[in-house]
Amino acid sequence: AQSVTQPDIHITVSEGASLELRCNYSYGATPYLFWYVQSPGQGLQLLLKYFSGDTLVQGIKGFEAEFKRSQSSFNLRKPSVHWSDAAEYFCAVAQYSGGGADGLTFGKGTHLIIQP
Amino acid sequence: EAGVTQSPTHLIKTRGQQATLRCSPISGHTSVYWYQQALGLGLQFLLWYDEGEERNRGNFPPRFSGRQFPNYSSELNVNALELEDSALYLCASSRGLAEQFFGPGTRLTVL
Repeated sequence: AQSVTQPDIHITVSEGASLELRCNYSYGATPYLFWYVQSPGQGLQLLLKYFSGDTLVQGIKGFEAEFKRSQSSFNLRKPSVHWSDAAEYFCAVAQYSGGGADGLTFGKGTHLIIQP
Repeated sequence: EAGVTQSPTHLIKTRGQQATLRCSPISGHTSVYWYQQALGLGLQFLLWYDEGEERNRGNFPPRFSGRQFPNYSSELNVNALELEDSALYLCASSRGLAEQFFGPGTRLTVL
């Protein structure tokens, strides 16, 4: 069965500093990977996705992620964080069948705190 | 383009009652997914509907059920509510082999 691990429950970063959120996955085939962000009491917003091709993917809000098959990782990065980036971040993997995408398997999430 | 919408925003029920949650997907999306986000349990996949059929379900008891209508909107029903069913229920939609877009969720509180 597929699984996703986000080893950091909380991360605190100063505004303007760089950010890296870690994600490791376990999946038998080529994974389809996603990063979502959730503000308090809200739904999830898709930041970026990896389906195939270039292993460095660009997303919204200045985020990027790099797929490393050898390390089973899909880490999220941002060169300079803003106070508005404070939120919960979820890494997810999807399994696809002939009829479409099966349910996503999510990591437990990383809570990002921005210090002024 | 309108996003995924869910209703109601909040729902308060008592133990043993039934709850009905509704979801309207993005126009053109045929798949609808339901997830439960309960405190301490994270985001868990509940159900997947596509073209009116249930395609898969997560590890939840049969009292969690639903359906998808011809216009692709969907309903999630939770029967015989238990206290631990209190959670944020998120609906997502997608089109074919593509990413899922989420709605704002319905907060269900069971007293």
